[in-house]
Amino acid sequence: GQSLEQPSEVTAVEGAIVQINCTYQTSGFYGLSWYQQHDGGAPTFLSYNALDGLEETGRFSSFLSRSDSYGYLLLQELQMKDSASYFCAAFSSNTGKLIFGQGTTLQVKP
Amino acid sequence: AAGVIQSPRHLIKEKRETATLKCYPIPRHDTVYWYQQGPGQDPQFLISFYEKMQSDKGSIPDRFSAQQFSDYHSELNMSSLELGDSALYFCASSTDGKATEAFFGQGTRLTVV
Repeated sequence: GQSLEQPSEVTAVEGAIVQINCTYQTSGFYGLSWYQQHDGGAPTFLSYNALDGLEETGRFSSFLSRSDSYGYLLLQELQMKDSASYFCAAFSSNTGKLIFGQGTTLQVKP
Repeated sequence: AAGVIQSPRHLIKEKRETATLKCYPIPRHDTVYWYQQGPGQDPQFLISFYEKMQSDKGSIPDRFSAQQFSDYHSELNMSSLELGDSALYFCASSTDGKATEAFFGQGTRLTVV
């Protein structure tokens, strides 16, 4: 089967750095993605890791360690608009499924 | 740039009625995924299609069915609707069959009364 674990809530202040962790159990694991979703909106793609290491995209970076079945999303220079839910998602090449974690609600405070 | 289009955006149905949700993927995307998202929940995988063939099913009730047509658009058919079917239904598409980057539509909000 597939399952992903991530913290349910994280709070940080503007300008700070926050890390959202994700551990996964996925047969035929192919890669780990991160999505942002604002209330009532659609998930939007942030980042993808297929190989170990860090991927940087502007203020957002994502890391993957396949040996530890672990990844994280790093958000720097937090802005109020970053308040949203963040989901890690794993694709299984065995099943063809993209499965989402339960999401981490990030609240950015002034 | 073209995005994933879902219709309708909002749908209100009564219990035991039937609903059809439509999804038009980004042109040249060969994979479509359907998700159901309840309030405060993560998107739950329903079903996916790769090159018009069903590739996998999640926890999709037997009352639900889906298909992908020759023009790659997909329809999710839901019969004998129940109150618990009220949710946001998202469709997503990707290019490589491996969801390295999936693009989501704006969703259809289904309310069953």
